[in-house]
Amino acid sequence: KAGVTQTPRYLIKTRGQQVTLSCSPISGHRSVSWYQQTPGQGLQFLFEYFSETQRNKGNFPGRFSGRQFSNSRSEMNVSTLELGDSALYLCASRALGYNEQFFGPGTRLTVL
Amino acid sequence: GQQVMQIPQYQHVQEGEDFTTYCNSSTTLSNIQWYKQRPGGHPVFLIQLVKSGEVKKQKRLTFQFGEAKKNSSLHITATQTTDVGTYFCLKGGGSQGNLIFGKGTKLSVKP
Repeated sequence: KAGVTQTPRYLIKTRGQQVTLSCSPISGHRSVSWYQQTPGQGLQFLFEYFSETQRNKGNFPGRFSGRQFSNSRSEMNVSTLELGDSALYLCASRALGYNEQFFGPGTRLTVL
Repeated sequence: GQQVMQIPQYQHVQEGEDFTTYCNSSTTLSNIQWYKQRPGGHPVFLIQLVKSGEVKKQKRLTFQFGEAKKNSSLHITATQTTDVGTYFCLKGGGSQGNLIFGKGTKLSVKP
């Protein structure tokens, strides 16, 4: 099976712009989670989707949003980018009934 | 509240020495997972612990879940340079609420 894929791998934006990141889970996995990783804060949970429904949401401002499509692919959007949004954004998928998370390679976002 | 405290933040060892990282929660955990992230890589699942007092081994790695299911540890015997990376614990998810990672322990191994 192919692993979790994320696009794009690298992205440079300027303050005030918006960005959309994409995640394709492992085939058959219906749960997708998103994380922000920074050196200072570590891995922080953004949200989790299952069957197109948001199940859990972390403590991030409303500028961060996501969605999941019927094929389980997921996107996250960050609007009005701030310098502090520069981070590695990771998504992970898991199979129904299992807790093991399979991570993608991440999208490195730089906000200038 | 939901935090998972993980210590130490950094550990520098000589190759062949042992290494341990600890995670503590203020609330009882239904399960805890451990992940390893190599430099420049993404987290990779190591193991999940579910039962009170559970101990699992993977070669030189020993994972423990406390009797009260509020703490867990990962111990590496006789570290090797291939053990370099950051080790994270993770709780939650699905019906268990938000997924919360510990801050991680960054292990460096001097050959």
